[in-house]
This record gives sequence, C-alpha cells and structure tokens, in this order.
Amino acid sequence: QQPVQSPQAVILREGEDAVINCSSSKALYSVHWYRQKHGEAPIFLMILLKGGEQKGHDKISASFNEKKQQSSLYLTASQLSYSGTYFCGSSTSGTYKYIFGTGTRLKVLA
Amino acid sequence: GAVVSQHPSWVICKSGTSVKIECRSLDFQATTMFWYRQFPKQSLMLMATSNEGSKATYEQGVEKDKFLINHASLTLSTLTVTSAHPEDSSFYICSAWGLAGGNEQFFGPGTRLTVL
Repeated sequence: QQPVQSPQAVILREGEDAVINCSSSKALYSVHWYRQKHGEAPIFLMILLKGGEQKGHDKISASFNEKKQQSSLYLTASQLSYSGTYFCGSSTSGTYKYIFGTGTRLKVLA
Repeated sequence: GAVVSQHPSWVICKSGTSVKIECRSLDFQATTMFWYRQFPKQSLMLMATSNEGSKATYEQGVEKDKFLINHASLTLSTLTVTSAHPEDSSFYICSAWGLAGGNEQFFGPGTRLTVL
C-alpha cells in the first residue's frame, strides 16, 4: 500500500522552511527520503530505521515516529537547489523492496 | 555512493517493436535489482524485483510476458519491453542493492522510452 505524502505541492521563497510528511497505514521497517529533479533519477537523502529516530545533515533533517507509521522531512532555510519532487520510500520488514510515496513537488523561488 | 548506469538514456521506437534496457552496477555486486516505471508527474511504481540467477518477481498488474527481465550476473540486469505500444511510453529506472551497500538502493539515471 502506497504511503501518502502531504502536502502534494508547496512553493517557498528562498530562506523559508518546509515540512513534508509521509504516512502509512502499517508500520514500516524503514523509511528513505529521495529528491528527484525532472527527468533524472532520485537522489538519496537519508534513511531512518528506528522508531523515534531523528537525523539530518546540513539543513535537511528527518524524523520517524515511535510507531514507525509516519516520517517527516524538514527543510530549513531553503535554497533554490532544493526544488524538485520529494519521495519517501518505505520498506516492509525483511525486504529491501521499496514502495514509494505519492510525492511532494517543492519549488523554491528567489 | 555506488554507481549504477543505464543504457540507453532514451529510445524512440515504432509500435510493435521490442526494446531492451540495460542496468549495470559499475563498482559493486548487485544481488538484487529493481525496475521501476514512472509516468509524468507521478510517483515511481515498482514493476519487478530480480535476484541474480533466478526468475524475477513481478508486482501485481505487471505483465510478465510483456516486460521480460533477465539478471544474468551480479552486475547486469536487462528489461525488455516486448511489442511496445504508445501506452508503454514512460521513464524506466532501475536500482541495485548489494550487501556492501547496507540498506541503500542505488538508482540508475533512467531511460526514457517513447513509442510512436
């Protein structure tokens, strides 16, 4: 079952923050976040494995709730290069097969 | 990170012809490769999972006889779209997973297929 992302789309000014949510009806083994530019392959951002985990690098961070059914991606002080479509990818226990979320289109304006 | 290549980057073909897309892991052994299809402004949809030396596992709704997958070695998987039709036009992306990569899948750059 495909995870649902919200919002579907968001427009920001450079320097503004954004939060993208990924929700599943079932507990996930892991959640992965990707950014995809038009016509290109997805670029890996980060993976979360444990309930309650939070991690980040530079100005992008993510969390995974205790029940492992929701993850959020936080973009701080957005830059033009952050524009793209963000996908969460979830895997179920014991497999490395991903089901990608519905996607969130993000556009950062100067 | 590990490098995965796809060939060709794009292909245009006539309806009824077959097209082969190659996916190679260049610097690691890919135990498992995944094939995705992505229509414009939509998410990536997993088509099939292939393990080296065994038959591919297809997702529900994906025709096995139309999308032939071969994973003959630890560095190469191929997807053949047989008797392609315009509705098969899409962006096809492969990814590779191996023990050395931990939990991460490494994605190829994608192949854009246009069927006229």
